[in-house]
Amino acid sequence: DAGVTQSPTHLIKTRGQQVTLRCSPKSGHDTVSWYQQALGQGPQFIFQYYEEEERQRGNFPDRFSGHQFPNYSSELNVNALLLGDSALYLCASSGPGLALDEQYFGPGTRLTVT
Amino acid sequence: DAKTTQPPSMDCAEGRAANLPCNHSTISGNEYVYWYRQIHSQGPQYIIHGLKNNETNEMASLIITEDRKSSTLILPHATLRDTAVYYCIVRVPNTDKLIFGTGTRLQVFP
Repeated sequence: DAGVTQSPTHLIKTRGQQVTLRCSPKSGHDTVSWYQQALGQGPQFIFQYYEEEERQRGNFPDRFSGHQFPNYSSELNVNALLLGDSALYLCASSGPGLALDEQYFGPGTRLTVT
Repeated sequence: DAKTTQPPSMDCAEGRAANLPCNHSTISGNEYVYWYRQIHSQGPQYIIHGLKNNETNEMASLIITEDRKSSTLILPHATLRDTAVYYCIVRVPNTDKLIFGTGTRLQVFP
């Protein structure tokens, strides 16, 4: 079992650009959540996808959007990047369904905005 | 979700028990206590969760006070690999969203 995988591992972008991060959930999981973790802080919930729809959303602007594919993998898109978007972006999977006790996290994508 | 309070850091000698406290005085009756940890440069890892009874698994034990206003995560024989940030979270099961605080940084020393 490969667990949760994320790509790329590191990314450097310029302010104003757009970025897409990818996540493949653990085998058997169909729910994907995204978190942003700034340096020295705990992860902050961005949004969650289940059945290809956004089910919950945290306090993040519309510049943050996502998608879930039929194979349950997911993308996180961030438009008009700001310096403050520099962070570790974590993907967590769970399931099957919305009944769960554990979320399995991937290793994250480190985004640096210059 | 209820707010949790944890000490920012703790030390523990290798081989000894590590006892990590968490206060959650405003916890609701249907909220569970969850513990996750994050080893440097990795994603958070689920450890254990419970409602009101003490729980034990292969990783740790969770002791919840009778009034449920606080809990303690116990790592019975800490190893150097247990050095990590430990997060205490309260949530309603099946809501998926985890609200992390700043956690406790546990340093296990030889």
